[in-house]
Amino acid sequence: DAMVIQNPRYQVTQFGKPVTLSCSQTLNHNVMYWYQQKSSQAPKLLFHYYDKDFNNEADTPDNFQSRRPNTSFCFLDIRSPGLGDAAMYLCATSRAQGTYEQYFGPGTRLTVT
Amino acid sequence: GQQLNQSPQSMFIQEGEDVSMNCTSSSIFNTWLWYKQDPGEGPVLLIALYKAGELTSNGRLTAQFGITRKDSFLNISASIPSDVGIYFCAGQTYDTGNQFYFGTGTSLTVIP
Repeated sequence: DAMVIQNPRYQVTQFGKPVTLSCSQTLNHNVMYWYQQKSSQAPKLLFHYYDKDFNNEADTPDNFQSRRPNTSFCFLDIRSPGLGDAAMYLCATSRAQGTYEQYFGPGTRLTVT
Repeated sequence: GQQLNQSPQSMFIQEGEDVSMNCTSSSIFNTWLWYKQDPGEGPVLLIALYKAGELTSNGRLTAQFGITRKDSFLNISASIPSDVGIYFCAGQTYDTGNQFYFGTGTSLTVIP
């Protein structure tokens, strides 16, 4: 039974065309994260929500935005995708902030044409 | 940001052999996590460690939180073909809030 669900698994978008990736969780965790992972690299944290509090990483481009309308759902919006934004986007959750395990979804592979 | 060095970068082993990999940091960490990632999938949590010196097993996997709190080790015993994948360590320190820093990954290939 999937606990962190990401849709779609594969997304193709055109250069400059806004795209939204979605994540949902059945764990009722307070924290949701978005990571970007490029080929053969470690996941890189973009931002996270602790409940409704949004925390952006200092080096996350303004092109990336996020919304969390409720506990279960979180969205990643890329306003104007560039070729360099092609990557795997991973959603993760944890029960709370601090020393709590993070559980990842299966990821969405984004291709920019 | 924090630097996590993971080694080896890749391993090619025969089925049945044991595997060891490690992760070191420049800072003291309070939590270490070990993940396995299959191609095209998200990382799956294998083991979580919370105390210096802690040794935890999950089936054929054993991980240890280093005494210095700057390193962690993962061992896989009697490897099987489905162990193939990329293994990531992740560490967290109170000084940086809830952010986990990921190691560079160890790619494991098991030859039947």
